[in-house]
Amino acid sequence: SQQGEEDPQALSIQEGENATMNCSYKTSINNLQWYRQNSGRGLVHLILIRSNEREKHSGRLRVTLDTSKKSSSLLITASRAADTASYFCATDAVPGGTSYGKLTFGQGTILTVHP
Amino acid sequence: DTGVSQDPRHKITKRGQNVTFRCDPISEHNRLYWYRQTLGQGPEFLTYFQNEAQLEKSRLLSDRFSAERPKGSFSTLEIQRTEQGDSAMYLCASSSANTEAFFGQGTRLTVV
Repeated sequence: SQQGEEDPQALSIQEGENATMNCSYKTSINNLQWYRQNSGRGLVHLILIRSNEREKHSGRLRVTLDTSKKSSSLLITASRAADTASYFCATDAVPGGTSYGKLTFGQGTILTVHP
Repeated sequence: DTGVSQDPRHKITKRGQNVTFRCDPISEHNRLYWYRQTLGQGPEFLTYFQNEAQLEKSRLLSDRFSAERPKGSFSTLEIQRTEQGDSAMYLCASSSANTEAFFGQGTRLTVV
């Protein structure tokens, strides 16, 4: 079963605009990760944020984490047509146990950036 | 290229046939995972290996599914007596204790 939900399910924007995707989850987590997937391909890791972190940046990506609300957001600034892909959040959550990296994914947001 | 290789990339099989997929992880990674992804959904966890030991299996992994990692390096996932509901992308990932998971390109299975 999916750990969380992503919102929106689909997002269509113009090149140069910012894209924000949200993820909610249900259980306590060790960390939350964002992945990107081009159509029919494997997943590419974008960024990892630990449960004791609130914000993290990587290039044009900014991720926030609010553990009190069990939610995270991914912001892509100055989007490009090449950013067109599906974006997934994934949680590493082993309540009461030692994490071994098992991930539970959301359903994803399909981002389309028009040139 | 993440360094994780999966073979084949595509497999079309008739219902009732057996299929086997292979995953070659990043060599220094002791953790290996299999996930299944259906159209429009996120990947779902199937099973996890630490070295050669299979430490967790999802209830999604019915008796027709078996996975091995005989020498703690490559892994195979076999599906016996395939059903149309097995059609999906099968993803392999590897990691170590200090890294994120690196995914392969996946094997897309179509059961006709």
